[in-house]
This record gives sequence, C-alpha cells and structure tokens, in this order.
Amino acid sequence: QQQVKQSPQSLIVQKGGIPIINCAYENTAFDYFPWYQQFPGKGPALLIAIRPDVSEKKEGRFTISFNKSAKQFSLHIMDSQPGDSATYFCAARAGGNMLTFGGGTRLMVKP
Amino acid sequence: DAGITQSPRYKITETGRQVTLMCHQTWSHSYMFWYRQDLGHGLRLIYYSAAADITDKGEVPDGYVVSRSKTENFPLTLESATRSQTSVYFCASRRGGPLDEQFFGPGTRLTVL
Repeated sequence: QQQVKQSPQSLIVQKGGIPIINCAYENTAFDYFPWYQQFPGKGPALLIAIRPDVSEKKEGRFTISFNKSAKQFSLHIMDSQPGDSATYFCAARAGGNMLTFGGGTRLMVKP
Repeated sequence: DAGITQSPRYKITETGRQVTLMCHQTWSHSYMFWYRQDLGHGLRLIYYSAAADITDKGEVPDGYVVSRSKTENFPLTLESATRSQTSVYFCASRRGGPLDEQFFGPGTRLTVL
C-alpha cells in the first residue's frame, strides 16, 4: 500500500520549461515532506523540504507548493535545464524515523 | 573516504544463496537505513537502526536480516536469496533529529538468478 502517490511517472519538457511533479498523501500525521533528486547510478540526494506550516518554499529554481487541506504537495522547477534530467522522489515522514517515498518521476529536459 | 559507502556495487547470485551487502559511514550518524528501489515502487524501507545494537523493521523486512555491532557499519543479509529480491539496494544515514538530512550511499545492484 503506497501512502504517498506521485505523478506523473515520466515527464519530458523543453529547456526553459517548468515541469511540475505532484504528490498526494492520506496520512494526516505526516509533518515533513522532502524531495529527493537521483541521477543514474547514484543514490538519491535531498533537494528541498517543507513543513506543513508553510504553503510554499523556494530554493533557487526549485519550489515546493503545499496544500494541507487537499493533502497534496508539488515540486516546480523553474527555467529547467538539461542538467535537471533525473528521477525525482517525493517523501513524507510522520514524526518518527521512517520516510515513505512516492513512486518517482523520471524527468527529461530536452535542449 | 569520508561519507557513506556500499559494497559490493554489483552482485550476481543464485537462488537460495546467502548474500551480505555492506554499508559503512564515517560521520558517526546515529541512524542508518536500508532501502530497496524497484521500478514503480520508489524506495521502500527494509530495516533501520537508531544506534548500535538497536534495529527495527521497516515496510518490507521479510527475507532480510540486519545487525549493527558498530555505529559505522550496518550490513544487510539475505539469508536465502529469492528472485523477487533482485533490486537496487541503498543504505542511508542520518545524524539524529527527524529533520536532519538523510544521506544515501551509491547503491548495490543485486541480481538473483
């Protein structure tokens, strides 16, 4: 049973476009929502994270939007570059030690 | 080298054999984790450890055994490998608090024939 549902599974955009990756959750006890970026052959690396007491967080070209009432959060990549081509995972944690991951989105940014 | 390392990076084994995947971190992080990554399932937690000699089950622990006699090492053993355990395995560590960043190793690609 996947507690964090991520969509789409794959995404292709042109350079400069704004890919949007969406995640939805059911467990209202989740209180920490990180996004991880993974390049082929590498382990995931933390990209950006948000707590549910804020609706938006920006770090460089990456923005998380959070909608607590809808139990949804999304990642936006502004001015996307070919170097952003990677797999992106959303995740959530309910105050304990276990991160629950979404299924991943493979992003390709075409030059 | 500093950081988190896994060995071997690639492993092919046969059904029924015992396999141990190694994980080593140099940060003295309290928490260590084992995940498996399968297409469409993201990363699923197998086991985690809050400190030496303290381990607990994650989402998919069946068929796996862990131990943590030293803070820096967290081996994962498949006692009798099955084809369904073919996957990419990632070890991770975290310093302590729940908001601390979780760092992942480079992964081990395991194929069970």
